[in-house]
Order: sequence, then structure tokens, then C-alpha cells
Amino acid sequence: GESVGLHLPTLSVQEGDNSIINCAYSNSASDYFIWYKQESGKGPQFIIDIRSNMDKRQGQRVTVLLNKTVKHLSLQIAATQPGDSAVYFCAEWPISGGYNKLIFGAGTRLAVHP
Amino acid sequence: DAEITQSPRHKITETGRQVTLACHQTWNHNNMFWYRQDLGHGLRLIHYSYGVQDTNKGEVSDGYSVSRSNTEDLPLTLESAASSQTSVYFCASSESTRGLAGGSEQYFGPGTRLTVT
Repeated sequence: GESVGLHLPTLSVQEGDNSIINCAYSNSASDYFIWYKQESGKGPQFIIDIRSNMDKRQGQRVTVLLNKTVKHLSLQIAATQPGDSAVYFCAEWPISGGYNKLIFGAGTRLAVHP
Repeated sequence: DAEITQSPRHKITETGRQVTLACHQTWNHNNMFWYRQDLGHGLRLIHYSYGVQDTNKGEVSDGYSVSRSNTEDLPLTLESAASSQTSVYFCASSESTRGLAGGSEQYFGPGTRLTVT
């Protein structure tokens, strides 16, 4: 399938545990951030987003935390399931930019073991 | 259901050949994008379009071209394929340009794996 995750850092977790995936961003002018999930052989899928005026946002089983001081994002997945196995990557977007300023990270592979 | 499709899913071509990758969306989105994804890199923007007859160069546009003659399609052409263009290519679409809400969700196609030999 269409996957480029073979040499990415890998986080291995047991089914039912919580997962934390980290992302460092580079541009202090970025004010909007997105997490994506990419399953093997598929295109990226939007999971959750957060604006820079927030430090936490929750979705269904997922939470994104933003620390602007150290330019760090994390994605927390509660009660990780086998279906969560995928590559996860963050994207940053500066307030003054169009889509050509949306910058994607390389990603982290999440492997969920039964 | 609305969707975004890409064809072919896999393509092997020779250096110097012209190749066109198709992207078709039924979301009726104004914005369409082409990215490439390589080992160790995040998605990199090749070209994008904000509407019919509009096209713009992205970060890695050299050797690629696009045209937008209708809302649904944004074909990507490699004028003369090079081995450096071996990659996985993703097409995406979104409804609107970025607004005060922060952004407009992009919907990605399943990708095309292109190998240039």
C-alpha cells in the first residue's frame, strides 16, 4: 500500500493503555495545529486541531496539549485499541499563511499490541 | 457519499517519460492540493489550486505541473520523470480557505505510489 512509515520512530503500547505521541514544531508564529492519522495504504485523516489561544482540547478518546513556551504538541489517546495502529503526525500553520505555509511533521508510528 | 479518488494507485515508469496522475473529488471543494510523501519527510506541497483556472506552486514544484479546468479534477503531470520523483503522491481537497476558525479540514485521497526507473 501507500505507506512511508517504515523508518519512523515507533511507540509500542499494549491494548488498553494510554498513548502519548509528541511533536515539536519549529515556527513560533504558528497559531494553528492539526493532528493526522495515517493508516497503512491510506491517505492522512484529520483527528483533532487546536488553536494557539488554547492549551488543551479534547475529542473522542483523544486529547491534544499545546505548550507554546517550548513549542511542543502532544496527542494523547485513551484506552488504545488495535485500530489505533497507524502513523500519527502533526502539522503547524502560521496565522499569516495560506495552505503553502502548512508544514507537516514526519510522524510517529504507533504499534498497539494485544 | 462524497469522496476523493486517485488513479492509478501504482505506476512504474521510465526516466524521461511524461506521466499524469489523476485526482477527482466529488465534495465540490474549491481547494485542491498535491503533496508528495517520502521517507523521513512530512508531506510536501507540490501545487495547489483555489478554484477553476487557478494554480499555484508549492514548496517542491520543479518538474511538475497542474491544470484546473473544472471543480472536480486536478491532474498532476510530471513533464519528464526523474528518479528523484519516485514517491507516494497524495491529492487533497478542502472547502474553503483558512478563516478565523483556524483552518479548513483537508480530505486526502488514498495515494499513488510512483516508481521511476
